[in-house]
Amino acid sequence: KQEVTQIPAALSVPEGENLVLNCSFTDSAIYNLQWFRQDPGKGLTSLLLIQSSQREQTSGRLNASLDKSSGRSTLYIAASQPGDSATYLCAVRPNTGTASKLTFGTGTRLQVTL
Amino acid sequence: GAGVSQSPSNKVTEKGKDVELRCDPISGHTALYWYRQSLGQGLEFLIYFQGNSAPDKSGLPSDRFSAERTGGSVSTLTIQRTQQEDSAVYLCASSWGLGTDTQYFGPGTRLTVL
Repeated sequence: KQEVTQIPAALSVPEGENLVLNCSFTDSAIYNLQWFRQDPGKGLTSLLLIQSSQREQTSGRLNASLDKSSGRSTLYIAASQPGDSATYLCAVRPNTGTASKLTFGTGTRLQVTL
Repeated sequence: GAGVSQSPSNKVTEKGKDVELRCDPISGHTALYWYRQSLGQGLEFLIYFQGNSAPDKSGLPSDRFSAERTGGSVSTLTIQRTQQEDSAVYLCASSWGLGTDTQYFGPGTRLTVL
């Protein structure tokens, strides 16, 4: 059974700092990995999706990397801003069976302070 | 264009009552997913619809839970004889249904069972 772990569970950084969020998964047989952010009381917003054949994806100040063989992904946020405060979730999609379901980590709650 | 919408946004019900939660996916998306997010726990997959194929119900926690998707668009998640442990945020997502797709999430329905 796939298990997805995110470390740290919570993180507080001052504005302008660069930071890294970690995601690890136990089964490397994945189709892709996706990073989301969730704001309080809101749904999830997709940030980046990395296919299993890719090593990284970039969008603006965000960069996500994937090392499938070691079961790890990182989300790098450059020059953090208070608006980045949210819970960040990673999710993996299996490459077996119907490949329909995502397995989510429990998230990292990020607070960027002024 | 319009995103995924869900209704109601909040639902309070008494233990033992039935509830229906609605999801309107993004127009043209053939895949639709239901997830549950319980307090202190991660997102849990419930059910997946893809086009006219039989749904993947492997995540439904009990036979009190059922879902249907009419006309390949709107979906309804029904919980019969609700229990207090059913209290959670129920999230719906949709995607184009291709293997490389990104899932787009609705804002969720917060269900409270008294």
